[in-house]
Amino acid sequence: GNSVTQMEGPVTLSEEAFLTINCTYTATGYPSLFWYVQYPGEGLQLLLKATKADDKGSNKGFEATYRKETTSFHLEKGSVQVSDSAVYFCALSGGGANSKLTFGKGITLSVRP
Amino acid sequence: GAVVSQHPSRVICKSGTSVKIECRSLDFQATTMFWYRQFPKQSLMLMATSNEGSKATYEQGVEKDKFLINHASLTLSTLTVTSAHPEDSSFYICSARGGQGVGYTFGSGTRLTVV
Repeated sequence: GNSVTQMEGPVTLSEEAFLTINCTYTATGYPSLFWYVQYPGEGLQLLLKATKADDKGSNKGFEATYRKETTSFHLEKGSVQVSDSAVYFCALSGGGANSKLTFGKGITLSVRP
Repeated sequence: GAVVSQHPSRVICKSGTSVKIECRSLDFQATTMFWYRQFPKQSLMLMATSNEGSKATYEQGVEKDKFLINHASLTLSTLTVTSAHPEDSSFYICSARGGQGVGYTFGSGTRLTVV
């Protein structure tokens, strides 16, 4: 079945530091890949997505590239802010109208001033 | 963009009572709704998938008689936790998916505490 593996957390960075959160996946076929962000006490918000190999998703300074050869979708940001402190989930969808999302375990990012 | 409204955001109930959580798609038709449960500092666990007008499909290990899911219209799905117990305390999140390229949109979650 499908699975998503995220690097272990939590991660603590100083403001303006470079961020990388690793994500690898196992799936049959050609899944779509997503990064979601969850702020304390809230639901999930879509941060970015990519639907095919070599696609780059980007939003709010975050980027992730769909690498089929390494089955990865690492999240990066060049300069993090305190407001980026949240939990980040990598996820995939196998496609199809009823296809469910498979989530990684999530990683907590704390950015200190 | 697509918006999903989930209510209530927090609820406290007594052990043995039932609680209903609503999930509404405000500006699109949700052909499929997903219900998740999230334990503290953990990932989301899919409980069930429902399509409008049909019975929900439950994930293995989820008691369908305890977690009743109704998806009677294209804009509303409900999750009822029946005979709630303290171990049912958790954060429940719904997600809706529509047609025509509408992806997964999540509600803001419901914090259920059973005392």
